[in-house]
Amino acid sequence: GQQVMQIPQYQHVQEGEDFTTYCNSSTTLSNIQWYKQRPGGHPVFLIQLVKSGEVKKQKRLTFQFGEAKKNSSLHITATQTTDVGTYFCAGFDNYGQNFVFGPGTRLSVLP
Amino acid sequence: DTGVSQNPRHKITKRGQNVTFRCDPISEHNRLYWYRQTLGQGPEFLTYFQNEAQLEKSRLLSDRFSAERPKGSFSTLEIQRTEQGDSAMYLCASSLALAGDTQYFGPGTRLTVL
Repeated sequence: GQQVMQIPQYQHVQEGEDFTTYCNSSTTLSNIQWYKQRPGGHPVFLIQLVKSGEVKKQKRLTFQFGEAKKNSSLHITATQTTDVGTYFCAGFDNYGQNFVFGPGTRLSVLP
Repeated sequence: DTGVSQNPRHKITKRGQNVTFRCDPISEHNRLYWYRQTLGQGPEFLTYFQNEAQLEKSRLLSDRFSAERPKGSFSTLEIQRTEQGDSAMYLCASSLALAGDTQYFGPGTRLTVL
């Protein structure tokens, strides 16, 4: 079945440093979504990418969807303590039936 | 509408008992999803509905789990003969399929099976 992997599993950065998490799917995705979950909270939608090679920016966050629609990345510039949390990628396979979350990357930001 | 709500927020039960959780989605949303999440893991897809129809169910889901969405609005998730391994956070999310299928999550129901 479809598998979605994320690396790294954990990332500790000093405040002000950049951060990147990578998402890889075993199958082509129709779209990819990114969610953030704060400790003790529930996942909150960040963005959706649909087109091959698409790049979207939200302030300090840059999201990219690979040309083959099997991988994606989230880059945070100049991290802040408010960026702490676990970042998940998720997506439907091309049949639109299986919606799978990656295992997440847990980000810690040291002040 | 203030978002997706779930009840109860916490449930403690003894092994072998049945439990039922309720999810009230955002009112105009036609899709409703159930997930299970354990500590340090991503949400694990259980099932989803479009309106009242259950479109997909995880192959990993035991027959002890059943979900309904009788009128296409709220949904219930029932777990029969609970086991300690069922202890987890059960998350519900809803979306509007025509609007890019962005999922809005509820606060979850934390189940502890003793």
